[in-house]
Amino acid sequence: EDKVVQSPLSLVVHEGDTVTLNCSYEVTNFRSLLWYKQEKKAPTFLFMLTSSGIEKKSGRLSSILDKKELFSILNITATQTGDSAVYLCAVEAKDGNQFYFGTGTSLTVIP
Amino acid sequence: EAQVTQNPRYLITVTGKKLTVTCSQNMNHEYMSWYRQDPGLGLRQIYYSMNVEVTDKGDVPEGYKVSRKEKRNFPLILESPSPNQTSLYFCASSFFNEQFFGPGTRLTVL
Repeated sequence: EDKVVQSPLSLVVHEGDTVTLNCSYEVTNFRSLLWYKQEKKAPTFLFMLTSSGIEKKSGRLSSILDKKELFSILNITATQTGDSAVYLCAVEAKDGNQFYFGTGTSLTVIP
Repeated sequence: EAQVTQNPRYLITVTGKKLTVTCSQNMNHEYMSWYRQDPGLGLRQIYYSMNVEVTDKGDVPEGYKVSRKEKRNFPLILESPSPNQTSLYFCASSFFNEQFFGPGTRLTVL
């Protein structure tokens, strides 16, 4: 059965802290892994990863994929209250272009 | 403005009363998809469409129908809604895997 597991389920940190969110997957015919941010509304796209070991970076956010160990991490440095959200990991399967989402990590950043 | 729109945004209905949730995108995307989001279960794919007249089942298709007669529209049809279909529904369209989500439709079936 295809599945995506995110950890931790929730996280509370103080502004300025660095956080690491984890996503592991077991998906047949892996095609890509995507990270989204959801702030009480529709998810918004952050990163798409297809190759192992190549870091994607956008400001204070970065992500990397390990296709051998079947996981990805999302790092957020110098967290701000605006980073408070649910972070979703999704994996696309090559056959049929289906997407499998994890249940998300809820991040709360305290001032 | 590039966007995915859904209507209605909120709907309360009763068991068995057929309903349609519309989804439209103005980005000329070929791929469109429907998801439901439930606490503790995350986003689960209901149906997706690779192009006009091409649709396929996702993880949880039971109780739902879709159609793709035009590229921009991808309505979700519940022929006989039941309380277990109470959920938050998202439509999405995508270009090279980057999915753009609609604002969501919160459906309650009594």
